[in-house]
Amino acid sequence: ETGVTQTPRHLVMGMTNKKSLKCEQHLGHNAMYWYKQSAKKPLELMFVYNFKEQTENNSVPSRFSPECPNSSHLFLHLHTLQPEDSALYLCASSQVGRDGSSYEQYFGPGTRLTVT
Amino acid sequence: QKEVEQDPGPLSVPEGAIVSLNCTYSNSAFQYFMWYRQYSRKGPELLMYTYSSGNKEDGRFTAQVDKSSKYISLFIRDSQPSDSATYLCAMSARGGATNKLIFGTGTLLAVQP
Repeated sequence: ETGVTQTPRHLVMGMTNKKSLKCEQHLGHNAMYWYKQSAKKPLELMFVYNFKEQTENNSVPSRFSPECPNSSHLFLHLHTLQPEDSALYLCASSQVGRDGSSYEQYFGPGTRLTVT
Repeated sequence: QKEVEQDPGPLSVPEGAIVSLNCTYSNSAFQYFMWYRQYSRKGPELLMYTYSSGNKEDGRFTAQVDKSSKYISLFIRDSQPSDSATYLCAMSARGGATNKLIFGTGTLLAVQP
C-alpha cells in the first residue's frame, strides 16, 4: 500500500448505529487530518493530530469522535449521526516541523457516508 | 465574506484549449498556495504548490500568485479530456500550529474531445 488509504470506501448507516472509519498513511508523516466534503461546499477541517496529539477540533459535534493511536493510523468513530452528516469524509497527512509549519497535505480516497 | 472564493463552474472547453482557473482570498496572511485536482469519487491530489508571489511551471500546468491582488491562478495548456476534474485551490498562513488549509469550493472542469 502506498500513500493514504481509507476504509471502508462506502458506508450506509442508520441514525442509531455506531461505526468507525479508518485511515492509514504510508508516507512517514507525523500529522493527520479529518475533513468533511459536502456538495457545493469547501472542504471542512474537522480534526488535526500532530505527533499523535489532537491540536484542532473545529467545533465538531460530539457524535464524531477521533482516535489517533500512532502517527500512521487515524480513526473516526461515529454514533447517533444525523442525515445531514452524509458526506465524503477525507483523511489527509502531512509532515509537520516542530514550529508547526506544514503546508502540503496528501489525501486518501475518502469514505462516502450515507446516514439513513 | 468567505476567506477563499472560487467560481464553481462548470467550465467546459474543447480539447487543446488553454484553461484558466482562479481563486481570490481575503486573508493577507496567506503565503502558501496549493492547487489540488479531484477526480470523481477520488480524494484530492496535490497538483501544484507555491510560496508567496510569482509563477511556477510543471509541464502543462502553471501556477501564478499575485499577493498584491490576493489572486491566484492555475493555467492548463493543451488541455486533455483526462484533465476533466474538479480543481480546488487551498492556502495557508505561516507560523504557529497553522497547518490548516483553507479551501475554495472547487471548479468543475470538463474538457471535450
